[in-house]
Amino acid sequence: KAGVTQTPRYLIKTRGQQVTLSCSPISGHRSVSWYQQTPGQGLQFLFEYFSETQRNKGNFPGRFSGRQFSNSRSEMNVSTLELGDSALYLCASSADGWTEKLFFGSGTQLSVL
Amino acid sequence: SQKIEQNSEALNIQEGKTATLTCNYTNYSPAYLQWYRQDPGRGPVFLLLIRENEKEKRKERLKVTFDTTLKQSLFHITASQPADSATYLCALVRSGNTGKLIFGQGTTLQVKP
Repeated sequence: KAGVTQTPRYLIKTRGQQVTLSCSPISGHRSVSWYQQTPGQGLQFLFEYFSETQRNKGNFPGRFSGRQFSNSRSEMNVSTLELGDSALYLCASSADGWTEKLFFGSGTQLSVL
Repeated sequence: SQKIEQNSEALNIQEGKTATLTCNYTNYSPAYLQWYRQDPGRGPVFLLLIRENEKEKRKERLKVTFDTTLKQSLFHITASQPADSATYLCALVRSGNTGKLIFGQGTTLQVKP
């Protein structure tokens, strides 16, 4: 079974631009969640989608948004990028959405210049 | 305020010894607590889950304890090996708020041969 796939692996953007990150969960998994990881703040929860509905949301500004498609694939969008958005963005999937066991992808390393 | 704290200093031990990592939390009522391993440039990998009504869980050389009175979880790796060197993250899920993991900052373990 293929693991969680995130694309792209690396991304360089400039301030003010927007970016879209993609996540393909493990086949059969219906829950996808997104986390931001930085050296200073560690792993912080962004949002979680289950069956195309956002079920949980973290404390991030509205510039951060996401969606989930009918095939469970998910995208995350960040608009009007700021330098502080530079981070590793991790996607995780789980079978039933109750976070009993999350499977993480390798992440997208975003650098904002 | 709500906090999850792990030792920020790296833990250095000799091969064959038992590594013990600590996770303390305040102002949470966790439904369960999880431990993950993260290697550089990779996403976290699930290791163990322990529920609020469980005192101890084991898996091969790994053992987790959970003391809801002390608000603390201990993670033990017995007969440690250099391959165990990584960052270990604890994460909790609050009662009634499944779908969202709250992570500690992680403790880096270095096992020397």
